[in-house]
Amino acid sequence: KAGVTQTPRYLIKTRGQQVTLSCSPISGHRSVSWYQQTPGQGLQFLFEYFSETQRNKGNFPGRFSGRQFSNSRSEMNVSTLELGDSALYLCASSIGTGTNTDTQYFGPGTRLTVL
Amino acid sequence: AQSVAQPEDQVNVAEGNPLTVKCTYSVSGNPYLFWYVQYPNRGLQFLLKYITGDNLVKGSYGFEAEFNKSQTSFHLKKPSALVSDSALYFCAVRDGTGGYNKLIFGAGTRLAVHP
Repeated sequence: KAGVTQTPRYLIKTRGQQVTLSCSPISGHRSVSWYQQTPGQGLQFLFEYFSETQRNKGNFPGRFSGRQFSNSRSEMNVSTLELGDSALYLCASSIGTGTNTDTQYFGPGTRLTVL
Repeated sequence: AQSVAQPEDQVNVAEGNPLTVKCTYSVSGNPYLFWYVQYPNRGLQFLLKYITGDNLVKGSYGFEAEFNKSQTSFHLKKPSALVSDSALYFCAVRDGTGGYNKLIFGAGTRLAVHP
């Protein structure tokens, strides 16, 4: 079974621009979560989508948004980019049983650099 | 609030020796704990999880973890380290408040296995 895929793998943007990242979950997985990884803040939860609905959201400004499509693929968007948005953005998928046994499997990430 | 702590930034081990990567947790309610590994320029790979049951959990690549409720610890172990085990290891706890798939990560521990 193919794993979680994320595109693009690398992005360079300038301050003030916006960016869209894409994530395709493992086949059959309906939950997609997004995390930001930086050297200073570590791994931080952005949001989770299940059945096209945002189920949970972390403590990030409204510039960070996402959506999920009917095929469970997900996108996240960051508007008005700031230097501090430079990070590795990780997508994780899970079956989405809503139980505590649900395990998240991560993609390779998108490395975003904001200049 | 749920949290995990990884008290060691780096662990150095000689190849063939046993390794331990430490993790302590703080949760309200039952703990649901995970270990992930990250290789350079890669996403996170799932190693193992504790949901309930046996305190010794076996995972991928020969890793295991010991859950200790009285010490609120979930240490990752391997009987014989390989140079290829050198990577960044993350302990995580599921945050059950408001949703099922939000993971709270520790800061990570860099494992260096020397030949």
